[in-house]
Amino acid sequence: SALTQPPSASGSPGQSVTISCTGTSDDAGRYRDVSWYQHTPGKAPKLVIFEATRRPSGVPDRFSGSKSGNTASLTVSGLQPDDEATYYCSASAARSPVVFGGGTKLTV
Amino acid sequence: DVQLIESGGGWVRPGESLRLSCAASGYRFGGIAMNWVRLAPGREPEWLSYISTGSLNIHYAASVEGRFTISRDDDKGSLYLQMNSLREEDSAVYYCARGPETALDVWGQGTTVTVSS
Repeated sequence: SALTQPPSASGSPGQSVTISCTGTSDDAGRYRDVSWYQHTPGKAPKLVIFEATRRPSGVPDRFSGSKSGNTASLTVSGLQPDDEATYYCSASAARSPVVFGGGTKLTV
Repeated sequence: DVQLIESGGGWVRPGESLRLSCAASGYRFGGIAMNWVRLAPGREPEWLSYISTGSLNIHYAASVEGRFTISRDDDKGSLYLQMNSLREEDSAVYYCARGPETALDVWGQGTTVTVSS
């Protein structure tokens, strides 16, 4: 994958978990376009963070994004059972309008 | 409610064609760009194609350029993906998604394409 994510993450209800997304030097200059998607099998993927730190309307403020250098991060605070899903990051890249990470399966 | 519903997936042999459709509802379809993205088991999502409002700008991923064609019918509120010369590696769940490529704010539930001999 053009963007590297840990394959798994876990936390107990009420705890916080942070998922990282690391890009190559090709992607670094465009990291303002980082988005995060939540996906549960059989359901439509859901945008939870865009432009690295912004939340779409309707997404709880338990979801937050940050970035530093080549690494973007998604933090889910106050974990709830419904947060269990695979989370994918995406970013624009030199060779494609958008590339995705390999996904992080979050277990609550 | 804003909704996207894909259809047209199925099983085909290598070299054959399929046409996917995406029906939009709950918003002014013609006012927002659209995309196709696919997800194969065990792989990261792969963005495939983008079409702007008015079909003025169209982009494709290198893996599908020349084989796939995106189009939209704003009067019908529908997005299409014509897929020709299908390969086994094209097998995946195909999603339509609304918005610029880097912030896809609404997705459908997907339609499954299987390419196998």
